[in-house]
Amino acid sequence: DAGITQSPRHKVTETGTPVTLRCHQTENHRYMYWYRQDPGHGLRLIHYSYGVKDTDKGEVSDGYSVSRSKTEDFLLTLESATSSQTSVYFCAISPQVGAAYGYTFGSGTRLTVV
Amino acid sequence: KNEVEQSPQNLTAQEGEFITINCSYSVGISALHWLQQHPGGGIVSLFMLSSGKKKHGRLIATINIQEKHSSLHITASHPRDSAVYICAAWQRGAQKLVFGQGTRLTINP
Repeated sequence: DAGITQSPRHKVTETGTPVTLRCHQTENHRYMYWYRQDPGHGLRLIHYSYGVKDTDKGEVSDGYSVSRSKTEDFLLTLESATSSQTSVYFCAISPQVGAAYGYTFGSGTRLTVV
Repeated sequence: KNEVEQSPQNLTAQEGEFITINCSYSVGISALHWLQQHPGGGIVSLFMLSSGKKKHGRLIATINIQEKHSSLHITASHPRDSAVYICAAWQRGAQKLVFGQGTRLTINP
């Protein structure tokens, strides 16, 4: 009962194909985030959600879209995967926004685009 | 220049050594987080602090707001401490977390 799960854990896909990553939480937290982690960079925010159907872009949102149709699920879609999107993707949740609230992270999805 | 800088990027030490990982930030912050990531694993929160010092077991985190600097110390290091340690600053104005690049720590037996 991790509270937050990501699926799949690993995926290899071909350039140009669509890919959807799923983040599922059981904590009923309002805020959900998608980050990517690449060597030489800190975690970089792709998109985030502050409620059902309420989403916004992060610093590296180009080529990605998200959807949140219910509180517990936040989907990240690569419409047409490119090799530059090979990365480890992390989902995070938080009950509120603010310095006092920590994030809980998922275990990550390693995506390889060939 | 990154808004949050960690040093060193890589650190290898022998079991039992005292470890220090540093984090400097250039933005106004409300809190600073230290996170741990084991190889192939997820990211877990170790500390969140806005002033002074916090201790949990062999881990100690300190922050100096005036100098915009935080340190993570590990006493009596053990091979199971081998992981990537990440600091993340809660940026007051932008209301977002800004992450450092991480420090890869390897403790040899």
